[in-house]
Amino acid sequence: NAGVTQTPKFRVLKTGQSMTLLCAQDMNHEYMYWYRQDPGMGLRLIHYSVGEGTTAKGEVPDGYNVSRLKKQNFLLGLESAAPSQTSVYFCASTESGFRNTEAFFGQGTRLTVV
Amino acid sequence: AQSVSQHNHHVILSEAASLELGCNYSYGGTVNLFWYVQYPGQHLQLLLKYFSGDPLVKGIKGFEAEFIKSKFSFNLRKPSVQWSDTAEYFCAVKNSGGYQKVTFGTGTKLQVIP
Repeated sequence: NAGVTQTPKFRVLKTGQSMTLLCAQDMNHEYMYWYRQDPGMGLRLIHYSVGEGTTAKGEVPDGYNVSRLKKQNFLLGLESAAPSQTSVYFCASTESGFRNTEAFFGQGTRLTVV
Repeated sequence: AQSVSQHNHHVILSEAASLELGCNYSYGGTVNLFWYVQYPGQHLQLLLKYFSGDPLVKGIKGFEAEFIKSKFSFNLRKPSVQWSDTAEYFCAVKNSGGYQKVTFGTGTKLQVIP
């Protein structure tokens, strides 16, 4: 039972390069989220999705794009990486709609932009 | 918009000391409340959760939290900490209606000295 899986786990990018982070969940969850974690700032929501084909902006969406073409996958894209995007990225998922549930997290992706 | 405040950013305790970490939230409606723990180099794991019913909830590893609705608080407690409790602790709130966005506090780093 894999839960939430993120790839890659580590990546170093040069400024201006692009990359995509993949999040996959096998729990049939409707909701998926991308957070970034920075020292002293906790987790901040970048984008989220309430179902296949939908996406919405979180607290810090600038510089990122997302897609949810399949229910189990939630992709986070950086079109032109900047040093300010150096962070640890976590994906999470929850069950749908109006039930009381917890969030399940992936292992994280440590991204460094030089 | 909902928000979460964790007032203790860094706590240092000796083994066997008692722990209480503060968490206050702002949201006018019904909420679900969580405490997550992140051990060094690992992803977030659920420590305990409150959905409804008894406001005193017990989690894993001897942790408990009390939901005080009138104070908008959900403080985490443990009677006697161990060195292995050294980690970062995050309080989180999710509104139980609408699109159910999860908001995290900035985290509290706990260091337990043997």
